[in-house]
Amino acid sequence: DIQMSQSPSSLSASVGDRVTITCRASQGISNYLAWFQQKPGKAPKSLIYAASSLQSGVPSKFSGSGSGTDFTLTISSLQPEDFATYYCQQYSSYPLTFGGGTKVEIK
Amino acid sequence: EVQLVETGGGLIQPGGSLRLSCAASGFTVSSNYMSWVRQAPGKGLEWVSVIYSGGATSYADSVKGRFTISRDNSKNTLYLQMNSLRAEDTAVYYCARGGHRNQGVDYWGQGTLVTVSS
Repeated sequence: DIQMSQSPSSLSASVGDRVTITCRASQGISNYLAWFQQKPGKAPKSLIYAASSLQSGVPSKFSGSGSGTDFTLTISSLQPEDFATYYCQQYSSYPLTFGGGTKVEIK
Repeated sequence: EVQLVETGGGLIQPGGSLRLSCAASGFTVSSNYMSWVRQAPGKGLEWVSVIYSGGATSYADSVKGRFTISRDNSKNTLYLQMNSLRAEDTAVYYCARGGHRNQGVDYWGQGTLVTVSS
């Protein structure tokens, strides 16, 4: 199984900050990497697929990069609605696996 | 508009069975890869199963032999039959469109809670 590790597991940031979350795969997954946002008590929301492509309707303040084993999600200017938990997921091979999540909290 | 609505969750005793449904609208289930993903209380996301557009299936080791994913094309609905339920199967279960190299996950349902307890 491919292990996905995210860092940090949590972070505190202020409105307007630029935030970067890292995701690392235990083996190469090309660009088969997705990012999801989840708010408390809600279903996940898809943000990015193929490592860097924005899902329809997702604002351009979200961006993704990387290929192979190392990936990043960047939020260019954090807004109140962006405080949530973010997960990466590899869909290169089964079983599909998720990172442990990064909780973005208000400083 | 794409919508996914899960139903069928509830409280079930260990060893029992439950069938979850995911009614889809705005697209055709049989033309897409469809997945089930679960989240135990306070924990992260865990992939459970996928059904290919062609009908092939795949399962997480933790549910293999106990859970069965299927679909009813006439009802445009995805199912998850869960047998021999264990306490560790307690989770919110989400259906999602996608879950393959050819199709990443793009839409999620709202989830349905399954609680396995005596």
